[in-house]
Amino acid sequence: DAGVTQSPTHLIKTRGQQVTLRCSPKSGHDTVSWYQQALGQGPQFIFQYYEEEERQRGNFPDRFSGHQFPNYSSELNVNALLLGDSALYLCASSRTGQGSDTQYFGPGTRLTVL
Amino acid sequence: SQQGEEDPQALSIQEGENATMNCSYKTSINNLQWYRQNSGRGLVHLILIRSNEREKHSGRLRVTLDTSKKSSSLLITASRAADTASYFCATDRRDDKIIFGKGTRLHILP
Repeated sequence: DAGVTQSPTHLIKTRGQQVTLRCSPKSGHDTVSWYQQALGQGPQFIFQYYEEEERQRGNFPDRFSGHQFPNYSSELNVNALLLGDSALYLCASSRTGQGSDTQYFGPGTRLTVL
Repeated sequence: SQQGEEDPQALSIQEGENATMNCSYKTSINNLQWYRQNSGRGLVHLILIRSNEREKHSGRLRVTLDTSKKSSSLLITASRAADTASYFCATDRRDDKIIFGKGTRLHILP
């Protein structure tokens, strides 16, 4: 049973560019959440997708957008990259309405913006 | 903004000793979860305690929750070198957002 997978593992971009990160949830999970973790900090909630729609959103600008596909996988897009967007981006999956609140995290994508 | 605040920020103990980390939060919660993270990798879920529970155990882990004080503690007994990691508490608020604290960096000395 595959866990949560993310791609790519590492990514280097320059300011102003755009980036797309990908996440495949754990088998049987239908909800995907994205987090940004700066060095030495805890993960910050970006948004959550369920049934292909954004259900919750944290305090992030519109440059951060996402998508969920019918197979429950998800993408995180960041436009007009800033140096401050350099971070570990974590994807977590869960099952909505199944009485379990546990999120399972992927290994993350390390984004460096130069 | 972050809901939970872990204390201490960093902790070094000898292998075999017990490690205690604390988490305080600000608003009412549905549940509180503890996660472990090794060297900037993905988070591993350790234990979830619901707002109507006071204590839970899982192997060498013991978690307590005091909703009147809005605080929780994570106790790791008989620590091992493999326990070296960052530990985060995450609160699940009634609007379903999960909010993480800044974490406690635990270092187990040989």
